[in-house]
Amino acid sequence: AQSVTQLDSQVPVFEEAPVELRCNYSSSVSVYLFWYVQYPNQGLQLLLKYLSGSTLVKGINGFEAEFNKSQTSFHLRKPSVHISDTAEYFCAVIHNNAGNMLTFGGGTRLMVKP
Amino acid sequence: GAVVSQHPSWVICKSGTSVKIECRSLDFQATTMFWYRQFPKQSLMLMATSNEGSKATYEQGVEKDKFLINHASLTLSTLTVTSAHPEDSSFYICSVGTSGRVNEQFFGPGTRLTVL
Repeated sequence: AQSVTQLDSQVPVFEEAPVELRCNYSSSVSVYLFWYVQYPNQGLQLLLKYLSGSTLVKGINGFEAEFNKSQTSFHLRKPSVHISDTAEYFCAVIHNNAGNMLTFGGGTRLMVKP
Repeated sequence: GAVVSQHPSWVICKSGTSVKIECRSLDFQATTMFWYRQFPKQSLMLMATSNEGSKATYEQGVEKDKFLINHASLTLSTLTVTSAHPEDSSFYICSVGTSGRVNEQFFGPGTRLTVL
């Protein structure tokens, strides 16, 4: 079965601290990986994506993620968070035999405290 | 990426009425659009895949007679919630599927439906 697991439903962190949001996936075929951010009452905004090539991917707002095929992970990191980073973050996968079909993780709520 | 709009952004209706939500691809001809539902503090759940000029493909457990999807053009797909009930209250998000080396999705801003 193909699935995406975000191990932490909530991550509280103080402002200017580093953060890592974890994402693991299971798939029997190659995948494309995405991280989206959702602010309250808004749609999803793409943070970054891994399609091929370098396993370290840099995205918007200072976020980056590293694709680790052996550990089937795609963890999202930021070295120093801001209050404005408080939002819901979703990891998602497209399996290359599934057309456009996105499989989403359950989401992680990042709560940045002053 | 594709720019996607939704209308309305929020709607409140009485139980038993029908509500239509529009999803527009503003700068891309979308043969495929997706409709998701998101309950509070939960992830997105795919409801159906909408293909231009053909019937939508619904996910298991989604009532196709209740959630009517029409994808009449390459830039517009509509979701009609028929005879809405309070349990249909949710955040509905559409996305546009692109084709190419990797088939990606670009999301609309969502529509908040509240059924009284």
